Amino acid sequence: DGGITQSPKYLFRKEGQNVTLSCEQNLNHDAMYWYRQDPGQGLRLIYYSQIVNDFQKGDIAEGYSVSREKKESFPLTVTSAQKNPTAFYLCASQPIYGDNYGYTFGSGTRLTVV
Amino acid sequence: SQQGEEDPQALSIQEGENATMNCSYKTSINNLQWYRQNSGRGLVHLILIRSNEREKHSGRLRVTLDTSKKSSSLLITASRAADTASYFCATDPYNNNDMRFGAGTRLTVKP
Repeated sequence: DGGITQSPKYLFRKEGQNVTLSCEQNLNHDAMYWYRQDPGQGLRLIYYSQIVNDFQKGDIAEGYSVSREKKESFPLTVTSAQKNPTAFYLCASQPIYGDNYGYTFGSGTRLTVV
Repeated sequence: SQQGEEDPQALSIQEGENATMNCSYKTSINNLQWYRQNSGRGLVHLILIRSNEREKHSGRLRVTLDTSKKSSSLLITASRAADTASYFCATDPYNNNDMRFGAGTRLTVKP
């Protein structure tokens, strides 16, 4: 089955730690996105990537970093510089950047600072 | 920055009734999309309407778009308990398909 997989489902981070959230897709989609969702709020764009080895900042990129070494993978690192990282993180993909197609989302990673 | 704003924030109806949710946005767009999210899950794409379209149907869903008023509506007919979820509209305020999402409408359908 084609799809987009996020792991882990739940992640706990201690203060001052960096953590990496995984996002893998086997849909052969070119574009991939990371969003953050806080309770009762919409999604806010963190980073996106149109093609391999290229990515752009979204609206709330500070304290986050990404890489796109493979088409299938777009991991997100939440660094210690992100002061309020507790949130639900969603990864999405799209066949071709700028296409008039909807996004396919993963099932999310819930990150909690302990 | 959030582009779309859904209204109402929450809606509670009985099974069989119709549910209407509205979305307003601020800038010109290429398309507007509606998504559904069950609690604690990822979003599921429901329907996309292009800026040159005024109405679109998909099963029990009907979406309208009024670009002059910068607004859209999502109608779910003959609602079912399984329709209980949050519904989000998404637009591309920079016209490059970097979608921005509103805060959503929380729909509860009572059996």
